[in-house]
Amino acid sequence: DQQVKQNSPSLSVQEGRISILNCDYTNSMFDYFLWYKKYPAEGPTFLISISSIKDKNEDGRFTVFLNKSAKHLSLHIVPSQPGDSAVYFCAARYSGNTPLVFGKGTRLSVIA
Amino acid sequence: DVKVTQSSRYLVKRTGEKVFLECVQDMDHENMFWYRQDPGLGLRLIYFSYDVKMKEKGDIPEGYSVSREKKERFSLILESASTNQTSMYLCASMSNQPQHFGDGTRLSIL
Repeated sequence: DQQVKQNSPSLSVQEGRISILNCDYTNSMFDYFLWYKKYPAEGPTFLISISSIKDKNEDGRFTVFLNKSAKHLSLHIVPSQPGDSAVYFCAARYSGNTPLVFGKGTRLSVIA
Repeated sequence: DVKVTQSSRYLVKRTGEKVFLECVQDMDHENMFWYRQDPGLGLRLIYFSYDVKMKEKGDIPEGYSVSREKKERFSLILESASTNQTSMYLCASMSNQPQHFGDGTRLSIL
């Protein structure tokens, strides 16, 4: 059974608007969450992360929100740019250096 | 900057062949991982290693093995390649989070 779920396979957003990518998880033992971005023919690159003791982390145009009671996190990109068009993966881990558990990804298309 | 290098970007092999995928990292990371990425399935963990000569099975280890003889190098081995192993293979390494990925090997088994 999937422990990290990205229920939207794709999302289209106009340039300059906000992109919101969502992720749900089932295991309350996860203590650290990450977002990765992946372009075709390249490996995933780390974007932003959040610890379970926080509810928000911001880095430039990217903000991740964590709602532990709902077991839900979201990535906000404001303003969206055409270069943000990529597949975004949500990932989670248990404590320590255990392997990440990935969602299936959401393909974001930012339209000029 | 962390550099994770996968030896081949594209590889074509035949059914039944033994296939080696090589991965090297330059940051002295203890932990290394092999994933495969397939459309609609995301990234699935095949094997990982916490140290030299140590290996752990991931979620889909069947048909694969690994080798970690040196800290910087983690090899994925397809013992007898089959067409359902056609995929994008991604290597990653880390000391503490986050994991850093290589650019991937697109492997086709004919």
